[in-house]
Amino acid sequence: KNEVEQSPQNLTAQEGEFITINCSYSVGISALHWLQQHPGGGIVSLFMLSSGKKKHGRLIATINIQEKHSSLHITASHPRDSAVYICAVSPLNTGNQFYFGTGTSLTVIP
Amino acid sequence: SQTIHQWPATLVQPVGSPLSLECTVEGTSNPNLYWYRQAAGRGLQLLFYSVGIGQISSEVPQNLSASRPQDRQFILSSKKLLLSDSGFYLCAWSAVGLGEKLFFGSGTQLSVL
Repeated sequence: KNEVEQSPQNLTAQEGEFITINCSYSVGISALHWLQQHPGGGIVSLFMLSSGKKKHGRLIATINIQEKHSSLHITASHPRDSAVYICAVSPLNTGNQFYFGTGTSLTVIP
Repeated sequence: SQTIHQWPATLVQPVGSPLSLECTVEGTSNPNLYWYRQAAGRGLQLLFYSVGIGQISSEVPQNLSASRPQDRQFILSSKKLLLSDSGFYLCAWSAVGLGEKLFFGSGTQLSVL
C-alpha cells in the first residue's frame, strides 16, 4: 500500500488548457512537496506547503490537511510544462524520510 | 547557496563489476543525505539515508552499500553488480528538522549488462 497516491498517472493536454494533478496521502505530515522531473531526469522542488495555497507563476498548489489531499494546478499550460510531477510528503513519525507518489506524466501538445 | 553534485551522469557496467557513485553537497553543514533509485515507470525508492558521518540507515536489503566518509559526501557502492541494479539513481539532501525541502542531484543512469 502506498502512503501517497497520485492521479492521473498520465495526462495529455492541449496548450493553454488548465491542468489539475491530485495527490492523496494516508499519514500525518509536517509538509507536502510537489516536485518536477524533466526528461533529462533531474528533479526540482516546486512547492513545499503545510497549509493553504501557494502560487508561483502559472503554478498553484493547494492542500487540505483535514482531507489529506493536495492539488497542483497549471494555468495556461505550455509544452515546456511537459514533465513528470511527483507528490511527496514528510511524515510526522519519521523525521528524516519522505514518501513519494509514483508521479504524473504530463504532456502538453502545441 | 547550496548545491549538490552527483557523478557520473551515465554508467554502463558489466554484471559482477563494482560500483561507486559519488555525491557531494556544498553550502550547508550536517545535512541529511539520501540515495534513491527510480526504476522505469515507478516511484522513488529510498535505498539509504544518513544523518551524520558514518551513520547509515538501509531501507532495502540488497547488494548495495553506502558510506559517508565526510559530512557532505555520500557514496553508493557495490562489490558485484546485478542486472536488477539497473536504474536511475538520485542523491538528495535536506536540512535537519521536520518539513524541510528536499534537493536532488542530477542523477546517474546505471545500465548493468
